[in-house]
Amino acid sequence: QSVLTQPPSVSAAPGQKVTISCSGSSSNIGSEYVSWYRQLPGTAPKLLIYESSKRPSGIPDRFSGSKSGTSATLGITGLQTGDEADYYCGTWDNSLSAGVFGGGTKVTVL
Amino acid sequence: EVQLVESGGGLVQPGGSLRLSCATSGFTFSNYGMTWVRQAPGKGLEWVSSITSSDTIYHGKSVKGRFTISRDNSKNTLHLQMNSLRAEDTAVYYCVLGRISADGLDPWGQGTLVTVSS
Repeated sequence: QSVLTQPPSVSAAPGQKVTISCSGSSSNIGSEYVSWYRQLPGTAPKLLIYESSKRPSGIPDRFSGSKSGTSATLGITGLQTGDEADYYCGTWDNSLSAGVFGGGTKVTVL
Repeated sequence: EVQLVESGGGLVQPGGSLRLSCATSGFTFSNYGMTWVRQAPGKGLEWVSSITSSDTIYHGKSVKGRFTISRDNSKNTLHLQMNSLRAEDTAVYYCVLGRISADGLDPWGQGTLVTVSS
């Protein structure tokens, strides 16, 4: 059971938008920045969002992040077949003094 | 260009030990925190350990007392000493630049597979 809760899967047609939620608590998301990662099949994860809403250079603005209270959200607009992957949220947990990830969300492009 | 290359993975019997290494280049290693993340076959990501630039160490609950993260700034290398290995430690272990808070974890190495089995 992951400390952060994500939906197991989301899906949408090409060109549409999906959002992935990440729910935590006051000891993690409520008091720390959230980062988001994408893992394409058979590859290492890649950073998409840091500090809850910032995009590293090279990440298109189709990807966005937000945080409110003890939840965070990743949005992907203009969905492409190449976006089919597993997406993970992560943050620091001050009660555990450890990093934590969500269980991951599989995005399917219909 | 930042490069992270893990080594040291392999097959080990339950109760055995293994030492992973991560050779780094392309950045000033001593200035950055580093992290190990693992992924069991078909499962999600699990944060394992991190070490700050000032050598403060953090370990996850599942590995505390068995694994030790360390760094050698003279060789720009990160290590993970794994003792008392269990079947549930079987995973791909990734070396990652940074810490999960603030700037996030980026980039990631290609990973090294550790298999604990008799």
